[in-house]
Formats: sequence, structure tokens, C-alpha cells
Amino acid sequence: DQQVKQNSPSLSVQEGRISILNCDYTNSMFDYFLWYKKYPAEGPTFLISISSIKDKNEDGRFTVFLNKSAKHLSLHIVPSQPGDSAVYFCAASASGGSYIPTFGRGTSLIVHP
Amino acid sequence: DAGITQSPRHKVTETGTPVTLRCHQTENHRYMYWYRQDPGHGLRLIHYSYGVKDTDKGEVSDGYSVSRSKTEDFLLTLESATSSQTSVYFCATKTTSGTYNEQFFGPGTRLTVL
Repeated sequence: DQQVKQNSPSLSVQEGRISILNCDYTNSMFDYFLWYKKYPAEGPTFLISISSIKDKNEDGRFTVFLNKSAKHLSLHIVPSQPGDSAVYFCAASASGGSYIPTFGRGTSLIVHP
Repeated sequence: DAGITQSPRHKVTETGTPVTLRCHQTENHRYMYWYRQDPGHGLRLIHYSYGVKDTDKGEVSDGYSVSRSKTEDFLLTLESATSSQTSVYFCATKTTSGTYNEQFFGPGTRLTVL
């Protein structure tokens, strides 16, 4: 039973436009959420995070929004660039535990020039 | 970047043979993890360690064992490799300074079991 779901396996966007990647979770104990980016033949790298006390966190072109009542978060990339083409993983964790995050299955973003 | 290396980076082996993958970190991070990545499944946790000689199972631990005799090394062993264990394996580390921290991932090991 997936506790973290990324329902869109892939997303295609034109360069310069906004990319919106979505993530849903079911465990109400999750209070910290992270996004990782993964290029082919490399390990995932941390991109941005948000704790449950916030509803938005911004870092340059990347913004993560959290809707706790809907158990939904989204990653916005504006403007999208071809170099953003990668697989994006959403992850969630609960504080006070053994720091074991739960990952979604990933969304493959392709940004066309 | 955290100094995490994995060896070997690529390996082809035959069904029934034992295989050991190594993860080495230079960051003195307490937590270490082994994941496998398969199409359609994302990252699935195999085993993790919360200190030297302290390990626990993840969601897909069957057929795998781990050992951590030093802070910097975390070994993943496939006792008798099967074709279903063909995958890309990632090691990750995490510090515990502060409640919320991201994981740092190694470059991965691509394992093929024939």
C-alpha cells in the first residue's frame, strides 16, 4: 500500500513554461516532505523540502506547496529549463522516528527546448 | 557534496552466486541506507543502519543482508543472487544533527544477475 503517491509517471513541458509535479500522501503522521531530483546514471540529489508548519517554501525557480488538509504537495518549477529534465521523487517522513523516509515512484519530467 | 562512493559501479553475475556491494562515506554520518530502484517502483528501502553494528530491515529485505562494522562502511550482501535482484542499488547517508535532514545518495551500482 503506497503511502506516498506520484500519480503521473511522466510530464512534458515546453521550455520557459511552468512545470507542476504532484505528490499525495496517506499517512497523517508525515510532517516533513522532500523532493529529490535524479539524472540518468546518477544518484538522487536533494532539491527542496517543507515541514508541516509551513504551506510554501521557495528556492529560486523551485517552490513546494503543501496542503495538509488534502494531504497533497506540489513542486512548481518556473521557468522550466531543458536542464530540469530528470526524474523527481517525492519523499515524506515522520519526526521522532528512525529517519526513514517513504518515497514515491517518481515523475519523469521532460522539458523541450 | 557528501563523500559517498559505491563499489563496484557495475557488476554482472550469475544466479546463485554471492554478491557484496560496498558503500563508503567520508562524512561521519550516523545513518546509512540501501535502496534499490526499479522501473515503476521508485526507491525501495532494503536495509538501513542507525549506527555501527545497528541495522534493521526495510520493505524489501528478503534475500539481502547487511553489515556495518565501521561508521564509514555499509555492506550489502546478496547471499545467492537471483534474476529478480537485477536492479540499480543506491546507498544513502543522513546526519542526525537537527530533526529534519535530507539524505545524500551515492552514484549507484548497476547489478545484472543472469
